[in-house]
Amino acid sequence: SAVISQKPSRDICQRGTSLTIQCQVDSQVTMMFWYRQQPGQSLTLIATANQGSEATYESGFVIDKFPISRPNLTFSTLTVSNMSPEDSSIYLCSVRLRGRRETQYFGPGTRLLVL
Amino acid sequence: QQPVQSPQAVILREGEDAVINCSSSKALYSVHWYRQKHGEAPVFLMILLKGGEQMRHEKISASFNEKKQQSSLYLTASQLSYSGTYFCGTEIESGAGSYQLTFGKGTKLSVIP
Repeated sequence: SAVISQKPSRDICQRGTSLTIQCQVDSQVTMMFWYRQQPGQSLTLIATANQGSEATYESGFVIDKFPISRPNLTFSTLTVSNMSPEDSSIYLCSVRLRGRRETQYFGPGTRLLVL
Repeated sequence: QQPVQSPQAVILREGEDAVINCSSSKALYSVHWYRQKHGEAPVFLMILLKGGEQMRHEKISASFNEKKQQSSLYLTASQLSYSGTYFCGTEIESGAGSYQLTFGKGTKLSVIP
């Protein structure tokens, strides 16, 4: 398995501000993803973080709102920009390990509350 | 394209069995099962691959019916620790390889003494 850490673990932010979430993995991974989980809901894929190139966003998510970086194989950031209360959610980093394509693991998540 | 899970919720007494189903309208390459406890991240349980065998994790097993694009998770002799929300994540069959999981809405399982 992989050890995935996320920072911060939780935050309370004011509307209109931005927050950057970091994801660090202790193993080399092939794929890194960012998911959102609203309270009591399922997991929704925001984007696939691509190393050295622009992330691939799912329908309903745009780069201006959720810019993503992935400078190397084990690290990625997600920024939630110009936040509104509707952005209050849990944001989860998820990875697939090199050599084990099939298995996907989740980080502990970042709990965001926007006031 | 979101897979459909059933039931939405189930309450069990310790030692009872349960089945959670996951179905898709698309041809699937794989089905992943996760359990999420309140306030925690989803934990990987097992994966079912097209053409693969039935999988088992402790007293939890799962199957994948490729013809029906359905997967079932079987919880045998349930324990209190089995409580949580179970999600299936499906990967659509693609020649280039999809790598993206689409999750169902989840099944909330409560095991009581």
